[in-house]
Amino acid sequence: QQQVKQSPQSLIVQKGGISIINCAYENTAFDYFPWYQQFPGKGPALLIAIRPDVSEKKEGRFTISFNKSAKQFSLHIMDSQPGDSATYFCAPNSGYSTLTFGKGTMLLVSP
Amino acid sequence: GAGVSQSPRYKVAKRGQDVALRCDPISGHVSLFWYQQALGQGPEFLTYFQNEAQLDKSGLPSDRFFAERPEGSVSTLKIQRTQQEDSAVYLCASSLGGRGEKLFFGSGTQLSVL
Repeated sequence: QQQVKQSPQSLIVQKGGISIINCAYENTAFDYFPWYQQFPGKGPALLIAIRPDVSEKKEGRFTISFNKSAKQFSLHIMDSQPGDSATYFCAPNSGYSTLTFGKGTMLLVSP
Repeated sequence: GAGVSQSPRYKVAKRGQDVALRCDPISGHVSLFWYQQALGQGPEFLTYFQNEAQLDKSGLPSDRFFAERPEGSVSTLKIQRTQQEDSAVYLCASSLGGRGEKLFFGSGTQLSVL
């Protein structure tokens, strides 16, 4: 997990606000950049992912921004809802490696 | 089945006991992974199967940990002589193709070693 650093560790956002979670990585061979969402008592589930050929990908309220030169990518949650309260993990990897998860960001969206 | 199924959901073991955790992956998924998740941490890789072949077991913490997938579908993770530090949630995941593809996780087995 030393290859992947997530920030912040925890985040409180008001309903309707924007949640931003960042992930920094070291391995330049990574070519797949997913974010996983985990609710208590459940396994992680893929939320959104990006390949390095694009700098941004949007799916509904969720956007990934990718900065190859800085070796960082981030998750933006627009119009955050209480149902988004969960732990989020980045898990960059390449086709020849298994997922390396960050330590997670616990998001709480207050009503 | 509709998703990855793990059993038991909870397991309490006395220190020194052997335990076996089962994973039923999504039908047709070639790859199967085991992860260990400590409280408040991200999942950490244990081992990876492609069909029945165990291609990577670099994450297994000791020789007390053993995993198998004899027919390329159901997998079992066995922990011998359990220790308190083995207490964690053990997650199984499967994917249609190789290592880097979308993983589908089960809900995990929460192991508590007393």
